[in-house]
Amino acid sequence: GIQVEQSPPDLILQEGANSTLRCNFSDSVNNLQWFHQNPWGQLINLFYIPSGTKQNGRLSATTVATERYSLLYISSSQTTDSGVYFCAVPNTGTASKLTFGTGTRLQVTL
Amino acid sequence: DAGVIQSPRHEVTEMGQEVTLRCKPISGHNSLFWYRQTMMRGLELLIYFNNNVPIDDSGMPEDRFSAKMPNASFSTLKIQPSEPRDSAVYFCASSPGLGSPLHFGNGTRLTVT
Repeated sequence: GIQVEQSPPDLILQEGANSTLRCNFSDSVNNLQWFHQNPWGQLINLFYIPSGTKQNGRLSATTVATERYSLLYISSSQTTDSGVYFCAVPNTGTASKLTFGTGTRLQVTL
Repeated sequence: DAGVIQSPRHEVTEMGQEVTLRCKPISGHNSLFWYRQTMMRGLELLIYFNNNVPIDDSGMPEDRFSAKMPNASFSTLKIQPSEPRDSAVYFCASSPGLGSPLHFGNGTRLTVT
């Protein structure tokens, strides 16, 4: 099946700093989603981004499908950004069986 | 919209007991997914439905697991009999259609002793 790798695995930031999270995938995909799992375990869909760039407040995401990667940018980080960030892509040949990366664990400190 | 609603939030049971997890998807969403999350294996897709019909159950670990979707607003995941290794957080998610953005419920944390 498709392989999804995320980097870095762990990240500690001071409040106000910016960061870039990366997601590499091993096969061509027709959609990609970014999720945030907060410290209470809730999984929130941040972006549905098959290609191009999208922005939502302090967060933005870019997917370059031809080069098989996506980036999640967090600007002016806040403590509420802490948690685990996952990217997910469909298994090869399907639209809905998502394979999740192992995540980037982010801790934002005061 | 209330989002995807799961119940119970926590379930503690003894080995051998039957466990039933419940899910109400977002109104109007045609696809429903059951996931399991553990530290060792991360997020795993167990089964998904489209228009109430099971499409792929290849992720269901054993015959002890079964899922139903009797109508567009309700689904259950049943484990019978439960075992300690079934302990995990079980998430239900829904989307408007196949290949669309996925929205998760808050999960059910299952502990089997």
